[in-house]
Amino acid sequence: EAGVTQFPSHSVIEKGQTVTLRCDPISGHDNLYWYRRVMGKEIKFLLHFVKESKQDESGMPNNRFLAERTGGTYSTLKVQPAELEDSGVYFCASSHHRGSSTDTQYFGPGTRLTVL
Amino acid sequence: QKEVEQDPGPLSVPEGAIVSLNCTYSNSAFQYFMWYRQYSRKGPELLMYTYSSGNKEDGRFTAQVDKSSKYISLFIRDSQPSDSATYLCAMSGSYIPTFGRGTSLIVHP
Repeated sequence: EAGVTQFPSHSVIEKGQTVTLRCDPISGHDNLYWYRRVMGKEIKFLLHFVKESKQDESGMPNNRFLAERTGGTYSTLKVQPAELEDSGVYFCASSHHRGSSTDTQYFGPGTRLTVL
Repeated sequence: QKEVEQDPGPLSVPEGAIVSLNCTYSNSAFQYFMWYRQYSRKGPELLMYTYSSGNKEDGRFTAQVDKSSKYISLFIRDSQPSDSATYLCAMSGSYIPTFGRGTSLIVHP
């Protein structure tokens, strides 16, 4: 079974530019999560999709971040315009059951974003 | 005060040693406690999951939760070089985990 995949693995952009990150969850997983780890800090939750609907976006830092999951399959996270503090590693995770506390989330390898 | 405190290390031990990794937390609402292992350039992988206070064992790994002290531990017996990774504790009251910073573990032959 293929795991969660993310693209690109690394992105370097200049402040003010736009970047789009992609996540392909494990096939059949309705739940998709985005997390971010800023250097030296903890992994923090950004948002949660159930199929194509945003279930919880309480962790999104501001309106420069836009997440979509059209068709309930892969998801994109767009940052526009990027700022220096957006640098970090963005993780995607997916799970099968609906938002259960016992539901295992499978993480992708992350996209390392560097904003210069 | 951070909700979850975890010493980032690094923690360096010889092969075969018993490793103890720990986290403290402040939020009494946390009911679910997890340990993730993360290898370099990989995503976190769930290692162990516990709900109640007490011990849970899985092979060489034992997770321990003390809710009264708000303290959780992960013990690794007979540590191997392949155990070298970052270990993250995480906890939640629902399904969204709150992570610690992770402890870097190095097991040298």
